Amino acid sequence: DAMVIQNPRYQVTQFGKPVTLSCSQTLNHNVMYWYQQKSSQAPKLLFHYYDKDFNNEADTPDNFQSRRPNTSFCFLDIRSPGLGDAAMYLCATSRVRQGGTEAFFGQGTRLTVV
Amino acid sequence: EDQVTQSPEALRLQEGESSSLNCSYTVSGLRGLFWYRQDPGKGPEFLFTLYSAGEEKEKERLKATLTKKESFLHITAPKPEDSATYLCAVQGGDPSGGGADGLTFGKGTHLIIQP
Repeated sequence: DAMVIQNPRYQVTQFGKPVTLSCSQTLNHNVMYWYQQKSSQAPKLLFHYYDKDFNNEADTPDNFQSRRPNTSFCFLDIRSPGLGDAAMYLCATSRVRQGGTEAFFGQGTRLTVV
Repeated sequence: EDQVTQSPEALRLQEGESSSLNCSYTVSGLRGLFWYRQDPGKGPEFLFTLYSAGEEKEKERLKATLTKKESFLHITAPKPEDSATYLCAVQGGDPSGGGADGLTFGKGTHLIIQP
């Protein structure tokens, strides 16, 4: 089945130690998104790639960066994780077309900062 | 700025007891309104897309409806396996346009169906 796969499912990192989360897709969608979701909160869009074009949300901290080396893979880099960055990180994909376009999500990576 | 408000925050029902979840939204233009189901510790699972007022979509015990200001997710004769958090999201902008804009989500309604 075509899908969005995130690795790892659970990640524990030390305060201030760089960490990378990965996402891959077999849907061949041209857009890949990263969302942050804290407990009992709405998913919050961090940034997205439309093909190779990177689009950062205005309020996304500089501590968060992303890379998309090819259509299938996208990475979320947190340069210096703080305790407030502990959250579920969700990768999603969509195919751009006219009108509304639903996004398909991976299972998420739960990040713990110690 | 797009905004989504969901109510109630939590809802506990008996098995077979039908009810509705509400999603109120504010957008400059609506490209689509989306419903997702999220199980604990997992990513959201896509349920429905609604594009314009008056539209309805159904899947098993779920039915989604849309007006110009809100959407409802009706759950008919729910079963315990319907227990989950239901998220509503909007994609704003020109309804006839395209683009890669992300979704604006509400906080969700945590639904518990008791046997």
